[in-house]
Amino acid sequence: DQQVKQNSPSLSVQEGRISILNCDYTNSMFDYFLWYKKYPAEGPTFLISISSIKDKNEDGRFTVFLNKSAKHLSLHIVPSQPGDSAVYFCAASWEYGNKLVFGAGTILRVKS
Amino acid sequence: NAGVTQTPKFRVLKTGQSMTLLCAQDMNHEYMYWYRQDPGMGLRLIHYSVGEGTTAKGEVPDGYNVSRLKKQNFLLGLESAAPSQTSVYFCAATGLAAYEQYFGPGTRLTVT
Repeated sequence: DQQVKQNSPSLSVQEGRISILNCDYTNSMFDYFLWYKKYPAEGPTFLISISSIKDKNEDGRFTVFLNKSAKHLSLHIVPSQPGDSAVYFCAASWEYGNKLVFGAGTILRVKS
Repeated sequence: NAGVTQTPKFRVLKTGQSMTLLCAQDMNHEYMYWYRQDPGMGLRLIHYSVGEGTTAKGEVPDGYNVSRLKKQNFLLGLESAAPSQTSVYFCAATGLAAYEQYFGPGTRLTVT
């Protein structure tokens, strides 16, 4: 029972263009959503987050959009850079202990 | 300020052997977590702790035990390793009022 789904295993984008990574969730109790970035042989690093009371959060080149009615969030990276090539995980939280439920990840490749 | 560190980085075990993975954090965070990452499955929570002396089960706790005797350390034990426990293990920590978890670099474990 996957509560957080990233249906695109991979995405390839040209440098300078927009990258859009998508995430769907099923549990309406989730109240906080996060995106993590992971390079090979390293631990995930926090990228950006959004509370369920907002529909958009922006940090430099990264913007996360939340559509609660559709139970969908997306991460936009503009402009994409080769250094953005990594695995991106979507995560959601609501339970005691601030536990996170992760999606399976999307591999982003930015071509120069 | 190292953040979250994990020991060892790599390990190969034979079926039935035991081992302990050590996680240490210098951020004085209350909450600590152990995850495993397998291809196509994202990160799955094994066990977590909301404070010194407390532990709780996550999504995939079978075959693992944990201890949090000191606030800064969280140990993950495998009493009798099985090939199904071949994975990359990540430790994470976060504060009481935060959702963003900070991850260690990971331990790659192979059970033959």
